[in-house]
Amino acid sequence: ETGVTQTPRHLVMGMTNKKSLKCEQHLGHNAMYWYKQSAKKPLELMFVYSLEERVENNSVPSRFSPECPNSSHLFLHLHTLQPEDSALYLCASSQDRYAGTGGQPQHFGDGTRLSIL
Amino acid sequence: AQSVTQLDSHVSVSEGTPVLLRCNYSSSYSPSLFWYVQHPNKGLQLLLKYTSAATLVKGINGFEAEFKKSETSFHLTKPSAHMSDAAEYFCVVSDRVTGNQFYFGTGTSLTVIP
Repeated sequence: ETGVTQTPRHLVMGMTNKKSLKCEQHLGHNAMYWYKQSAKKPLELMFVYSLEERVENNSVPSRFSPECPNSSHLFLHLHTLQPEDSALYLCASSQDRYAGTGGQPQHFGDGTRLSIL
Repeated sequence: AQSVTQLDSHVSVSEGTPVLLRCNYSSSYSPSLFWYVQHPNKGLQLLLKYTSAATLVKGINGFEAEFKKSETSFHLTKPSAHMSDAAEYFCVVSDRVTGNQFYFGTGTSLTVIP
């Protein structure tokens, strides 16, 4: 298995539920990212992890809680979500946090489609 | 500051005709530029990237893009559209000096008419 794998692919939850999204990368990368993709909006960067340390949090509400136990796995823990949190959540990875020379691409998973009832 | 403008939110072409998806960028430093494609219910797949080597970049599935610094453009082209090209396309700029943060355009939806 190669690339970036996200589970589950679809998730429906009530506003009071607690659930987690999982991302796993098999590329040997050191940086991982969570993005939110809503209809008619540009991708929103939520969190960045480099070598398992959170290096960026773009003013994301506390009802989203990321976890990076090792360089291959990234979780997004969800609790008390709102209807406007319904979106496609994308995980990505890249070799390093900083591009340096060469412009490293980010590799994306297929996302988790989240629907809040 | 970095930003990307995709000039068309929707493009429709007939199968077998050329595709042109336009992207303009602004960057304070020498940029890296990328095009990604997203098919329905899928993640973003890298089509091609520019990183200060050749200005004409060839990618997968017959796509290519030309970096024009004087015009701050990085338009995506394909000589002949295929039905399977119907998807959402994103232009991305990354500043190599300040890090690998990606700045995404709002996307262009490509429709291919049989």
